[in-house]
Amino acid sequence: AQSVTQLDSQVPVFEEAPVELRCNYSSSVSVYLFWYVQYPNQGLQLLLKYLSGSTLVKGINGFEAEFNKSQTSFHLRKPSVHISDTAEYFCAVLPQAGTALIFGKGTTLSVSS
Amino acid sequence: KAGVTQTPRYLIKTRGQQVTLSCSPISGHRSVSWYQQTPGQGLQFLFEYFSETQRNKGNFPGRFSGRQFSNSRSEMNVSTLELGDSALYLCASSGTGGFQETQYFGPGTRLLVL
Repeated sequence: AQSVTQLDSQVPVFEEAPVELRCNYSSSVSVYLFWYVQYPNQGLQLLLKYLSGSTLVKGINGFEAEFNKSQTSFHLRKPSVHISDTAEYFCAVLPQAGTALIFGKGTTLSVSS
Repeated sequence: KAGVTQTPRYLIKTRGQQVTLSCSPISGHRSVSWYQQTPGQGLQFLFEYFSETQRNKGNFPGRFSGRQFSNSRSEMNVSTLELGDSALYLCASSGTGGFQETQYFGPGTRLLVL
């Protein structure tokens, strides 16, 4: 069975500071990895995904993530956050040949000035 | 291209009632998945439909059911509502639901059971 652990439930940061949201997963099969963002009262929006190839993945809004197979991690980073980045962020895995995303519990990123 | 739409956006029901939620996928998408989001359990997969057939199912009781029409629109039904069914219900669509495809989410239907 697969599972996703987002190590921090809340991350408060100041505007223009760097941020890292941590995600670890466990799986007995190969998986694909995703980060989604959810703004208040909205659905989920894909930030980035890792399917294969380069382990450093760049996404929208200046976010990037690095896949580390040995540590089974897929941490999300942004070098300088904005107030508008305040949202909930979800890490998810999709087992290869599967169709159901398995989500972590989410990390609330709060950016203040 | 229009995004995934869900109706209604908000719904209030009482225990014991049943409810039907609707999801219209992105034009051309044939796979529709449903997820339940609650503060306690987070996001959990309900089921996935492709070409009018349920292809995958999560670990939810039989009170939760769905269907998909020939135009790929999907409905989800919850019978005999319980307080714990209060949640945000999200649907997501993709072309074929294959492993390389991105799922695009709708804004969700927020269900409150009193």
